[in-house]
Amino acid sequence: SQQGEEDPQALSIQEGENATMNCSYKTSINNLQWYRQNSGRGLVHLILIRSNEREKHSGRLRVTLDTSKKSSSLLITASRAADTASYFCAPRYNNTDMRFGAGTRLTVKP
Amino acid sequence: GAGVSQTPSNKVTEKGKYVELRCDPISGHTALYWYRQSLGQGPEFLIYFQGTGAADDSGLPNDRFFAVRPEGSVSTLKIQRTERGDSAVYLCASGTSGADTQYFGPGTRLTVL
Repeated sequence: SQQGEEDPQALSIQEGENATMNCSYKTSINNLQWYRQNSGRGLVHLILIRSNEREKHSGRLRVTLDTSKKSSSLLITASRAADTASYFCAPRYNNTDMRFGAGTRLTVKP
Repeated sequence: GAGVSQTPSNKVTEKGKYVELRCDPISGHTALYWYRQSLGQGPEFLIYFQGTGAADDSGLPNDRFFAVRPEGSVSTLKIQRTERGDSAVYLCASGTSGADTQYFGPGTRLTVL
């Protein structure tokens, strides 16, 4: 099974600033996914990047993947108070289970 | 279309009682996952189904926990002789087979008094 480890554990920024979160993993992957969680309820899928991709964009989100370093980063540009949440990465390989680390707790101050 | 639903949304029980938590996945999704999450922690993997069978149940903490998915759709997580330490939010997710996107339900908040 795979598990991502997010870094930093907590991040506090002002509205309008950019937020960068990192993820490291240990073995080969097919893809890596980022999820957001508000208020301890269900996770929401944000973006999926495949192992043959290096960068992907979705709105204000930019994800990079470096398979040689087994790491990924999530950049949120022009952050908003509504981006306050916990962010988790999930490295995936075929039909395996999906496990999460402790996440990065992002606080965006208005 | 309808997303993943979980019932009940909240469950309060007494120590030692038996509880069942239900997950209705998105129609056609063959993969189903159960997690539990304590305050301030990431979701802790419990069990993963592909179709009717448990592909990986290594996350179940002990034999008081059991999950079934008899027809390959709805799943029930069963907890016997509940303990106060079982209090958490129990999350369910479903997806197509393979390693693609998983869709989460809103969770069931279990409180054991």
